[in-house]
Amino acid sequence: GIQVEQSPPDLILQEGANSTLRCNFSDSVNNLQWFHQNPWGQLINLFYIPSGTKQNGRLSATTVATERYSLLYISSSQTTDSGVYFCAGGSGNTPLVFGKGTRLSVIA
Amino acid sequence: EADIYQTPRYLVIGTGKKITLECSQTMGHDKMYWYQQDPGMELHLIHYSYGVNSTEKGDLSSESTVSRIRTEHFPLTLESARPSHTSQYLCATSGRNSNQPQHFGDGTRLSIL
Repeated sequence: GIQVEQSPPDLILQEGANSTLRCNFSDSVNNLQWFHQNPWGQLINLFYIPSGTKQNGRLSATTVATERYSLLYISSSQTTDSGVYFCAGGSGNTPLVFGKGTRLSVIA
Repeated sequence: EADIYQTPRYLVIGTGKKITLECSQTMGHDKMYWYQQDPGMELHLIHYSYGVNSTEKGDLSSESTVSRIRTEHFPLTLESARPSHTSQYLCATSGRNSNQPQHFGDGTRLSIL
């Protein structure tokens, strides 16, 4: 099955800094999502992005499907951005495969 | 956005009890999933269903069972809870096509004493 690798596993940022999170896939996917898990354990959809670029406020994501990777950009980070960021991908009729996550701490 | 309801939100219960975690959705999504997750750690798929009367086991072996009698409901049952079942359980749904996004409920935090 598909393997999903996220980097870095852990990240500490000063408030206001920018960061890039990466997700690599071992095979092609036609479904790719980024999620943020907040400190209360809720998983929030950030982007559905099997290809191309999307932006939502200070967050943006780019997927290069031909090279099997996706990037999540966080600009001007805030303490509320802290949590775990997961990417997940899938193809055909199989369930999504999740990466192990990037644990982000934004300090004031 | 899918509306997915999980109850209870928190449950603390003794060993040996039978537990049912409820998950319901109002979007008519065919596909539903249960994940088990320790805080901040990986998500492990334990069960999924692609429609009524269809259930499959996920990647992580689990002592729990599920049923899908109605499209809207996908309950998860533990016949005899043990401390090793302590975890967060997350329910998710997605539409019929493989290129539709998956959405999560708020989860149930289960503690077995």
